[in-house]
Amino acid sequence: GQSLEQPSEVTAVEGAIVQINCTYQTSGFYGLSWYQQHDGGAPTFLSYNALDGLEETGRFSSFLSRSDSYGYLLLQELQMKDSASYFCARGTDKLIFGTGTRLQVFP
Amino acid sequence: NAGVTQTPKFRVLKTGQSMTLLCAQDMNHEYMYWYRQDPGMGLRLIHYSVGEGTTAKGEVPDGYNVSRLKKQNFLLGLESAAPSQTSVYFCASARDSGNTIYFGEGSWLTVV
Repeated sequence: GQSLEQPSEVTAVEGAIVQINCTYQTSGFYGLSWYQQHDGGAPTFLSYNALDGLEETGRFSSFLSRSDSYGYLLLQELQMKDSASYFCARGTDKLIFGTGTRLQVFP
Repeated sequence: NAGVTQTPKFRVLKTGQSMTLLCAQDMNHEYMYWYRQDPGMGLRLIHYSVGEGTTAKGEVPDGYNVSRLKKQNFLLGLESAAPSQTSVYFCASARDSGNTIYFGEGSWLTVV
């Protein structure tokens, strides 16, 4: 089956850079997407990599290496409001989410 | 601009009762999904649909049924609720596969 593994928790301070990794164990060359979820809220889309390489969207960047079954989300210039859970997801029709990473940003 | 709307938002059920969660999207999306999220956990796919009249099983389909009679609606049914089905349920939709998916605000279900 499909599984996407992420670190359970990451901590950082305001202004820092943090990288959240996602490794997966499924065949097929699907893209990888990233979602943010604040406590009590719904997940919202952040970024999508259809192909290998780096995608940049403001302070957030996402990277995918399909040959390594690996991707990451890079958050720069961290702000307190970035404290949330972050999920990677992949698949085509059947979209499966990773285990999620809780990011805590401290002053 | 409604997007994805779920009803009800909160519900308490007794064990053995049945209920239906309704998801409606106004973006003319082909793909719709139902996920559940337990406290501190990730999202697990229950069922999904790639178009009107089609449904397919996800990761955790047991105890749930779905229907997609109209393109804009995706219904999730619990025939005989169990305490293990206490969770937050999220509906989502997407224009096509591999694309951005948009989530509803969630439905909090408690089975006692």
